[in-house]
Amino acid sequence: GQQVQQSPASLVLQEGENAELQCNFSSTATRLQWFYQRPGGSLVSLLSNPSGTKHTGRLTSTTVTKERRGSLHISSSQITDSGTYLCAMGGSSNTNKVVFGTGTRLQVLP
Amino acid sequence: DTTVKQNPRYKLARVGKPVNLICSQTMNHDTMYWYQKKPNQAPKLLLFYYDKILNREADTFEKFQSSRPNNSFCSLYIGSAGLEYSAMYLCASSRGQGANTLYFGAGTRLSVL
Repeated sequence: GQQVQQSPASLVLQEGENAELQCNFSSTATRLQWFYQRPGGSLVSLLSNPSGTKHTGRLTSTTVTKERRGSLHISSSQITDSGTYLCAMGGSSNTNKVVFGTGTRLQVLP
Repeated sequence: DTTVKQNPRYKLARVGKPVNLICSQTMNHDTMYWYQKKPNQAPKLLLFYYDKILNREADTFEKFQSSRPNNSFCSLYIGSAGLEYSAMYLCASSRGQGANTLYFGAGTRLSVL
């Protein structure tokens, strides 16, 4: 079945540093979605794009569909960015199935 | 309002007993999902409804049932809970077809004793 691999599993940064999170998927995806979860919190959608690059605030999502990979860049990290970032892959256009990776746990230190 | 609501937030169940979890959304979304989340694991897709059509994952086909009596509500039913069912259960919804943006509820934490 569809698989999603994320790296790194965990990341520790100093406040102000940039973060690059990777996502690789096993089959052709129509859409890659990035989610954020604060400890004990709900999953919140950050960005969703089928291909190319999309920005919101300090976040940039890049999806290279042909190479079955995507990335999330966080610029000028803040302590409040700490949490788990999950990527999820949507399959072909005629299915609503969405499969998740295990996530990257980010810790931003002062 | 992009709210997905799940009830209850916490559920205690005995081994062998049934469990019913509830999810609702008021966004008129076509698709509603149920995921199982265990610590340090990816959220695992159990099933989803697109409109009235139920899609269940092959490896959990016999373990979970669901119903969607109307567009807003979706339930997850476990006929006989086992210890391995202890997990966070996440409900999500999305608009249209083609894996659009998912909106998640806060989850129901199920503990089976």
